[in-house]
Amino acid sequence: DIVMTQTPVSSPVALGQPASISCTSSQSLVHSDGNTYLSWLHQRPGQPPRLLVYKISNRFSGVPDRFSGSGAGTHFTLRISRVEAEDVGVYYCMQATQFPHTFGQGTKLEIK
Amino acid sequence: EVQLVESGGGLVQPGGSLRLSCTASGFSFTMHSMNWVRQAPGKGLEWVSYISSSSSTRYYADSVKGRFTISRDSAKNALYLQMNSLRGEDTAVYYCARDRYGDHDFDLWGQGTLVTVSS
Repeated sequence: DIVMTQTPVSSPVALGQPASISCTSSQSLVHSDGNTYLSWLHQRPGQPPRLLVYKISNRFSGVPDRFSGSGAGTHFTLRISRVEAEDVGVYYCMQATQFPHTFGQGTKLEIK
Repeated sequence: EVQLVESGGGLVQPGGSLRLSCTASGFSFTMHSMNWVRQAPGKGLEWVSYISSSSSTRYYADSVKGRFTISRDSAKNALYLQMNSLRGEDTAVYYCARDRYGDHDFDLWGQGTLVTVSS
């Protein structure tokens, strides 16, 4: 199974400041079809997760442009250019290149 | 409205069975592969099972293989998860999640249904 490792586990950030979350996979996430199925999800307390970014860097419909994804192979990053209050919660990276699909352990974003 | 609604959760004794349902609306259910994902209390996300749009392909996490069965009914726009031989470690909120069309990202999630396995 592909192990997904996120850092940091917790990230206190002041409003208006940038935030960055890293995700490393135990093996390459490049699929045989040439795509890399690495996505980022956000979960607010008491809510289901929602898709933010798919295939490394594509923002999902309705996601603000302050969110951006980057990376390749086994190293990936989610960046928030200016954190807003609604961004609190837990962020997960997920690989869907191979079954079983696997998630990172989550990064909790809180306002400092 | 495009949505997924889970039902069927509840309290069950160890060794018991439960069937979860996920009803889809507002989109063409037959075009999408579907998944079940669970989240134990206070823990992270764990993928449980996948079924292709035609039901021809199914995958399971090792933790549930041989005990859980995923299925779908296109006439009812419904996804199911039959859970047998339940254990305490199966206690979780179970979400159904849609694969984005033609891809492998979970672009639509239900609100979840809580399964508690306890005597």
